[in-house]
Amino acid sequence: GIQVEQSPPDLILQEGANSTLRCNFSDSVNNLQWFHQNPWGQLINLFYIPSGTKQNGRLSATTVATERYSLLYISSSQTTDSGVYFCAVAQNTGFQKLVFGTGTRLLVSP
Amino acid sequence: DTGVSQDPRHKITKRGQNVTFRCDPISEHNRLYWYRQTLGQGPEFLTYFQNEAQLEKSRLLSDRFSAERPKGSFSTLEIQRTEQGDSAMYLCASSWHGSDTEAFFGQGTRLTVV
Repeated sequence: GIQVEQSPPDLILQEGANSTLRCNFSDSVNNLQWFHQNPWGQLINLFYIPSGTKQNGRLSATTVATERYSLLYISSSQTTDSGVYFCAVAQNTGFQKLVFGTGTRLLVSP
Repeated sequence: DTGVSQDPRHKITKRGQNVTFRCDPISEHNRLYWYRQTLGQGPEFLTYFQNEAQLEKSRLLSDRFSAERPKGSFSTLEIQRTEQGDSAMYLCASSWHGSDTEAFFGQGTRLTVV
């Protein structure tokens, strides 16, 4: 099946710093989502981005489907950005059987 | 719209007991998914419903696991004869049948088997 790799596995930042998280996938996809998992375990939707670029406040994401990678940018990081960031992809049309990467654990210190 | 709701949030059970979890999807979503997440890993797909029909099951879903969605609305996931290896976070997600098929997740049920 499709493989999803995220890097870096761990990231420690000072508040206010910028960061880039990367997601590589091994085959073509029709769905790609970025999630933030909060300390209570809930997956918060950040972006639905099978291709192109989107921005939402301090966060933005770019997916280059032809080269099989996606990037999540976090600017001016805040302590509340801490948590685990997951990239998930799906290959089916319609039915979204998401395959998740192992995540990037981000810690933002004050 | 209250989002995807799961109950209970936490469950501690003794090995060998049966447990049942409930998921209420976003009301207009006709697709419902169950995933399992163990410590330090990303969620893994377990099963998928479109309306009341269970259309795909992962090989992770052993015969001790059963999921239902009887009226095409809420779903239940039952684990019989729980084992310590079943300890995990069980996540439910839902999505709409359409071109924009973004999935939304509930808060999860954290199961601990002692």
